[in-house]
Formats: sequence, C-alpha cells, structure tokens
Amino acid sequence: EIVLTQSPGTLSLSPGERATLSCRASQSVSSSYLAWYQQKPGQAPRLLISGASSRATGIPDRFSGSGSGTDFTLTISRLEPEDFAVYYCQQYGTSPVTFGQGTKVEVK
Amino acid sequence: QVQLVQSGAEVKKPGASVKVSCKASGFTFTSYAINWVRQAPGQGLEWMGWISVYNGNTNYAQKFQGRVTMTTDTSSSTAYMELRSLRSDDTAVYYCARDNGVHVVRWCDYWGQGTLVTVSS
Repeated sequence: EIVLTQSPGTLSLSPGERATLSCRASQSVSSSYLAWYQQKPGQAPRLLISGASSRATGIPDRFSGSGSGTDFTLTISRLEPEDFAVYYCQQYGTSPVTFGQGTKVEVK
Repeated sequence: QVQLVQSGAEVKKPGASVKVSCKASGFTFTSYAINWVRQAPGQGLEWMGWISVYNGNTNYAQKFQGRVTMTTDTSSSTAYMELRSLRSDDTAVYYCARDNGVHVVRWCDYWGQGTLVTVSS
C-alpha cells in the first residue's frame, strides 16, 4: 500500500502567516489522485482539495494544493483564526485508499 | 443540501457485532458511492472500504476483509456498515462519506457526523 508521510507533525504559526504542509508518498500517486481534508476537534473532516489542486465547493482561495508524483503540498496563504486545525492528505489512486497521519496547525 | 445522518453511539462487548447506519438526503443516492472511514481516539483517519450505491460493488481494506460488510438500501437512501468480532481496538468514531466515484474509489466530499463505537467488557 502507499504510505503517506506528512510533515511537519505540528506547525506553530500566527494568524496572517503562510502555512506550507507537505505530504510525501512512498510511491507515485497515479494521476495526482490526492485530496486534502481539514478536521477541527469534535467535527468530521471537511474536503478542501481533490485531484491535488482543485478546490472543493465553498473553499476559500487562500487554500491551494500543488504537486505530483510523490510530493504534494497544501498552502494556506494567510492563516485565518478558523484555519487552526488538523490537516490530512489522502491518496485514492491505488487501492487501498490511504491517509497521512496528519499535520496540526496551531496558534503560536 | 447534502446531508449524511448517522445512527447513535454504541457500546459493545468484545466479540459482538455492530451495524452503523448512514441516511442520505439532498442528492440522488444511487448516483454515488459511500466510503467508511474510522478514527480511533486521538488518532488519524483509517479507510475501511467503499460501496458503490450505483451498482453494489464493494472494495474493502484488506485489514477488514472477512469482518466487515457494507450494504445499501436504496428505498430508504441508507448505507450500512457492519463490523463483526469486535475487539477493544475497534473503539473509534466511524464516519460515512459520500464519494462520486461510482466505479472506483475517489474522494470524500460530504461526511456524516460520526458514530462512536466503544468496545469494552
């Protein structure tokens, strides 16, 4: 199975700063079939990005995804207070579907 | 609006089974698939499997093969996930999530609120 490794584990930033989250795959993710989700405490995950770079409906344009092959990035251009959460990447190009272990973005 | 409403929390003894339901509304149920994803306390997300409501095909994670069954009832727009031979490490929040890949697994665009299953003697 494809193992997704997210880094860093925790990102400590202030509102207004730029966040860069990494997701590295153990083998190439076919057709850039990679998604990003945001999860806040006590809530279900929310889809942010699919196909490595396509924002989901209603997602602000401060969220952007990029990458291909084995290296993918989620960028939050300017952190808003509501963006502090845990972020997961998911690959769905090869069965079984796998998730990364998550990156927590916390207030510095 | 798209909604997935899951059944309530369950407490089960080791060795028992649990069946979680996920009632869909706000979209054409038969044009989609449903993923089941679980999250142990304080842990990350774990994909369990997928069922295409469109054609009934399933794709289970190998870890759960033989222990999980995913079904749908199109008359009530409800998906079900049954997990058998429960162990303490099955304690988790179980999520259903809509997937628009009716032939292959894709991404989860809408999620249920989650169902806490606690396995304890």
